[in-house]
Amino acid sequence: DAGITQSPRHKVTETGTPVTLRCHQTENHRYMYWYRQDPGHGLRLIHYSYGVKDTDKGEVSDGYSVSRSKTEDFLLTLESATSSQTSVYFCAISEPGGTGELFFGEGSRLTVL
Amino acid sequence: GENVEQHPSTLSVQEGDSAVIKCTYSDSASNYFPWYKQELGKGPQLIIDIRSNVGEKKDQRIAVTLNKTAKHFSLHITETQPEDSAVYFCAVSMNSGGYQKVTFGIGTKLQVIP
Repeated sequence: DAGITQSPRHKVTETGTPVTLRCHQTENHRYMYWYRQDPGHGLRLIHYSYGVKDTDKGEVSDGYSVSRSKTEDFLLTLESATSSQTSVYFCAISEPGGTGELFFGEGSRLTVL
Repeated sequence: GENVEQHPSTLSVQEGDSAVIKCTYSDSASNYFPWYKQELGKGPQLIIDIRSNVGEKKDQRIAVTLNKTAKHFSLHITETQPEDSAVYFCAVSMNSGGYQKVTFGIGTKLQVIP
């Protein structure tokens, strides 16, 4: 299994509070991604990173920010959580010039009350 | 942007029967078509993929077919077993300067009944 660790794995929080999810990889892959998974929508890209301090928006980036200060860590922050951000969040990694495969973490389930 | 449609959303089959999941896409520039399997409580994992220059690919009991002209591709699982029960996602991808621009289908929940 790819060395990807997400934390926390489960979190319950209240509307309006800040939340940070962490993705840590040991594969030294250049690209890192944050997806959210919701019933009826599959997996949708929130943000991605193509290197340290290099990030870009995905299709559902509103309300989220990211940071990558080290190759191995990619943080997803909800500045002020809303109930619509209740979801399962997955981190993924890939390597340029590789097969194109995405390697996923085990997910972080976030509930916003 | 790319639009991927996946059918059916749920599928129940008897153990030993075949299962077929179909996907269509809209962007003819897409050139990589992976299938991911997600077991309960885990992240998706690649099970098979196909590139645009190939029409069919097999790996033991699973196969994928691609029709680029019609913009559709399918996953075939033969001799299904209980451990095949999972959610399957099709995806459509293109390489954009090293970044994999991936669009996923909504997923198919496959149940194999022993």
